[in-house]
Amino acid sequence: GAGVSQSPSNKVTEKGKDVELRCDPISGHTALYWYRQSLGQGLEFLIYFQGNSAPDKSGLPSDRFSAERTGGSVSTLTIQRTQQEDSAVYLCASSLGDTTNQPQHFGDGTRLSIL
Amino acid sequence: QKEVEQDPGPLSVPEGAIVSLNCTYSNSAFQYFMWYRQYSRKGPELLMYTYSSGNKEDGRFTAQVDKSSKYISLFIRDSQPSDSATYLCGGMVQGAQKLVFGQGTRLTINP
Repeated sequence: GAGVSQSPSNKVTEKGKDVELRCDPISGHTALYWYRQSLGQGLEFLIYFQGNSAPDKSGLPSDRFSAERTGGSVSTLTIQRTQQEDSAVYLCASSLGDTTNQPQHFGDGTRLSIL
Repeated sequence: QKEVEQDPGPLSVPEGAIVSLNCTYSNSAFQYFMWYRQYSRKGPELLMYTYSSGNKEDGRFTAQVDKSSKYISLFIRDSQPSDSATYLCGGMVQGAQKLVFGQGTRLTINP
């Protein structure tokens, strides 16, 4: 498929555990974004990567959240010491990134449940 | 107050009807506006992407932006049961990369 690929599609874990969520952007897209979608909060921006520039981390809700992007392609979002309020769908998007404000295309997300 | 406000619905209309979905926003710096469609347990799918005020048409879909009143609309003509989904509106500041979304409106088209 040519779309944004995310894995796993579902993740259930116990409170206090660490989780890693993976995103593989559309080929040729240099910009990558993470969003979180939860009931009552809608879709919230978390972090943005563009090429080799420093990421925009302004949306990360706490220092338990971190993300990296290796080789300008695949990205991993890590949540340490998970809490029940971290339960949500984590969505990744990518865009061309050659200029600003390009349309963003989303994957189907990882549905995270913290017990 | 959220930057983008959207009535969550649910909205239910008969097949073939014209559907009007609306959002308001508060950030006057928004220059880019978009509509996404999201089916259950799927990611948002880009429907319409517009710059500044005006209309944009794509098949049965028309997006309208009125920056003077900070109002965004999506019209769906000849609605089909397959249009049943949640519709998300959003805005973005020129030069920024963060999409700001409304809560989404759940739409059901009844056969």
